[in-house]
Amino acid sequence: QSVLTQPPSASGTPGQRVTISCSGGRSNIGSDYVHWYQQLPGTAPKLLIYRNNQRPSGVPDRFSGSKSGTSASLAISGLRSEDEADYYCTAWDNGLSGWVFGGGTKLTVL
Amino acid sequence: QVQLQQSGPGLVKPSQTLSLTCAISGDSVSSNSAAWNWIRQSPSRGLEWLGRTYYRSKWYNSYEASVRSRININPDTSKNQFSLQLHSVTPEDTAVYYCARTNDGYVDYWGQGTLVTVSS
Repeated sequence: QSVLTQPPSASGTPGQRVTISCSGGRSNIGSDYVHWYQQLPGTAPKLLIYRNNQRPSGVPDRFSGSKSGTSASLAISGLRSEDEADYYCTAWDNGLSGWVFGGGTKLTVL
Repeated sequence: QVQLQQSGPGLVKPSQTLSLTCAISGDSVSSNSAAWNWIRQSPSRGLEWLGRTYYRSKWYNSYEASVRSRININPDTSKNQFSLQLHSVTPEDTAVYYCARTNDGYVDYWGQGTLVTVSS
């Protein structure tokens, strides 16, 4: 069972806006940054959002992140078929002294 | 551009040692700002951080509690790479193993992944 909690699945139609939640605790999300990754089948995770809401160069501004208390969210607007992937949240856990991950959310574009 | 290239066997027998290497280009294993991690992924356990090595005037290691008694992560400065050894493996250690860099407080680069199957 993962330390961070994500819904196992999410879906939307092209053009829609979808959000994926990530819930943790005071020792991880509540006290440190949240980062998000996109994983396409058979590939390594790719950094999507870092430090709660920052986008690496090359990531479209359709992707945005936010954090409040011990929860965080990833929002994808203007949904496209190529966004169909697994999405993971992660944070450093100060109690465990290590990285913890969410269980992942499989996004389906209908 | 940082690149991480993994190498190592894809099949390990139960009770033996899993060994993987991650060659670094575009950065140094002795960087004073980066840390070098191993992370694995399996359908049953999801993404799981195993540990890291990093240099801050001297070498440090830290490991995830559940594997701490049987893991080693070591830098090799002569080859600019780092390695993972996981001892006494069982079928539960079957997973895709990734090396990864953390810099400025987040994992920014990943290796290509190596599927390691523990089976006789």
